[in-house]
Amino acid sequence: GAVVSQHPSWVICKSGTSVKIECRSLDFQATTMFWYRQFPKQSLMLMATSNEGSKATYEQGVEKDKFLINHASLTLSTLTVTSAHPEDSSFYICSAPGHLYEQYFGPGTRLTVT
Amino acid sequence: RKEVEQDPGPFNVPEGATVAFNCTYSNSASQSFFWYRQDCRKEPKLLMSVYSSGNEDGRFTAQLNRASQYISLLIRDSKLSDSATYLCVVNPQAGTALIFGKGTTLSVSS
Repeated sequence: GAVVSQHPSWVICKSGTSVKIECRSLDFQATTMFWYRQFPKQSLMLMATSNEGSKATYEQGVEKDKFLINHASLTLSTLTVTSAHPEDSSFYICSAPGHLYEQYFGPGTRLTVT
Repeated sequence: RKEVEQDPGPFNVPEGATVAFNCTYSNSASQSFFWYRQDCRKEPKLLMSVYSSGNEDGRFTAQLNRASQYISLLIRDSKLSDSATYLCVVNPQAGTALIFGKGTTLSVSS
């Protein structure tokens, strides 16, 4: 099946710094990618939809100026957490839709802000 | 009301037990339905799709009731390796983001 990679797989950063997470479709092109966030013992919640060549669409309550999304090519979407704070510590996962209802998930990035 | 609701769990069962998970969804126009499995600190992995006619994959049986907006998963002859969190997932339409339930944790012990 199709493969989606994420980098880094885990990152620890200090409060106030920015962190960039990359999501790549390795063997297919993705005009759309989804970014989810999962807090401990919670469900995956959609943060935003990344669209190649256009602005991302953010879900209600997600600050677009804090979570910057760039989808500059058909195989790469990036999520930058700006001025990270401890409450941003979470598991961030991207996915790309495939044929019909298939979705391909990246392995996730665990962010810890100290 | 949450879009996808699941049994709270956790379910702690001995090896060989049969366990059933239930899920309800709020959007009657939803198009497709899935059960995903998520291991600790990992991404969710598709376990099986769910159809109105019911479908079976080895020890796993999934069922969808569109009229009552209810989805179920039955695991027979539980194995230690079945220990994980099971996520009920709904896709409103093809190409859109998935909507996840909170998940139900299963722990199978010897």
